[in-house]
This record gives sequence, structure tokens and C-alpha cells, in this order.
Amino acid sequence: DAGVTQSPTHLIKTRGQQVTLRCSPKSGHDTVSWYQQALGQGPQFIFQYYEEEERQRGNFPDRFSGHQFPNYSSELNVNALLLGDSALYLCASSLAGRVETQYFGPGTRLLVL
Amino acid sequence: DQQVKQNSPSLSVQEGRISILNCDYTNSMFDYFLWYKKYPAEGPTFLISISSIKDKNEDGRFTVFLNKSAKHLSLHIVPSQPGDSAVYFCAARISLISSGSARQLTFGSGTQLTVLP
Repeated sequence: DAGVTQSPTHLIKTRGQQVTLRCSPKSGHDTVSWYQQALGQGPQFIFQYYEEEERQRGNFPDRFSGHQFPNYSSELNVNALLLGDSALYLCASSLAGRVETQYFGPGTRLLVL
Repeated sequence: DQQVKQNSPSLSVQEGRISILNCDYTNSMFDYFLWYKKYPAEGPTFLISISSIKDKNEDGRFTVFLNKSAKHLSLHIVPSQPGDSAVYFCAARISLISSGSARQLTFGSGTQLTVLP
């Protein structure tokens, strides 16, 4: 079982650019959540995808968008990058309908210059 | 508005002693609480959880205590081991009302635990 995988591991972009981050959930999981972890802070919820639809959204602007594919993998897109978007982006997968833990991937470290 | 707070950014304890990590929350709708452990270059790993209908949950060396009236929970690690050195995050959620996707987690800012040999 590969667990949750994310790509790329690191990324450097400049202000105004766009970025796409990818996540493959743990085998058997159908729900994917994305979190942003700024330095020295805890992860902050961005949004969650289930059945290829955005089900919940945190307090993030529309520049942050996502997608879930039929195989349950997911992408996070960020447009018009700002310096403040520099953070570790974590993907977590879970099984819908169950009150259980989410399994996190190792994250993608994004640096915006 | 931080709904989940971990006021101690760091904690050092001697190997074999007890580690106590604290967490406070403000949202009374939270009814399920989790602790995650995070090593550098890895994602958070689930450690232990507790439902609001309980006041204690034990799993091996790890025990979580919940005081709903004080909106406070704590994680006890006994005995502490050097391998426990990591950042510990407290998280809270509002449980499902009906079937569907899991609710989002709200995290604290973490406590760096260092267990000294």
C-alpha cells in the first residue's frame, strides 16, 4: 500500500504565475482534502473533494481551485501566485461516510519569489 | 480567529518521564478531537483521537484527556522516548450529521516535543 503520494516534492515559482499540485489517495480512499501549512503554523483546510465535486471549502480565495478525477486522484491549482502562497501543501485522503482519521501525504513545498 | 490553540510552541522532557501536551479550543460545536505527530519532511500521522462523549482515551503509551467544560484537551505520553521527538498537532472537527464526506479538520499551530536521552 503506497499511502498518499504527492508531486512534485518541491516547486519554485514567481509572483503571478500559476501552479498545479497533484495527489494520489491511499488505496481504497475516495475523498481528498487539501491543506496549506505556512511556516510555524498548523495545516489550514483549503477544500475537500468527493465524487469529483468540491464538497467543503475553507477560507481561501477563488485563486485556489481543484479537481478530482474518476480514479480519486486530485489536483490543486493556484492562480496569480502571491508571495504569501509560499507554504507546504498537504493532501489528505479518507473514506467518505466514516468518522475516522485522514491520512496525509508528505506534502509539496512551494516557494513563490 | 484561532479556534484551536496550542500555546506552547516547544517542550523538552527527559527520556522515561511523562510528556504533557496541551490544547484549547473555542468552538463548542467541535465534538471530535485528534492528535497528529509530524516528523520533518513527512506529512502528519494520526496518533490518537477522542470523541466528546468520553473524557479519556488510551492507546499504549498515549492517553488523551478531554475536559469539555474547560474546552481543553491534553496528550500524555508515558514513558517518553527519543523517537517521540516531533511536532504534535491538536485538531478538532464537527462530526457528520448525515452520511457524506468527512468534515474538515481545524488544527492548532503545533508543539515541538524534544525527548532528551
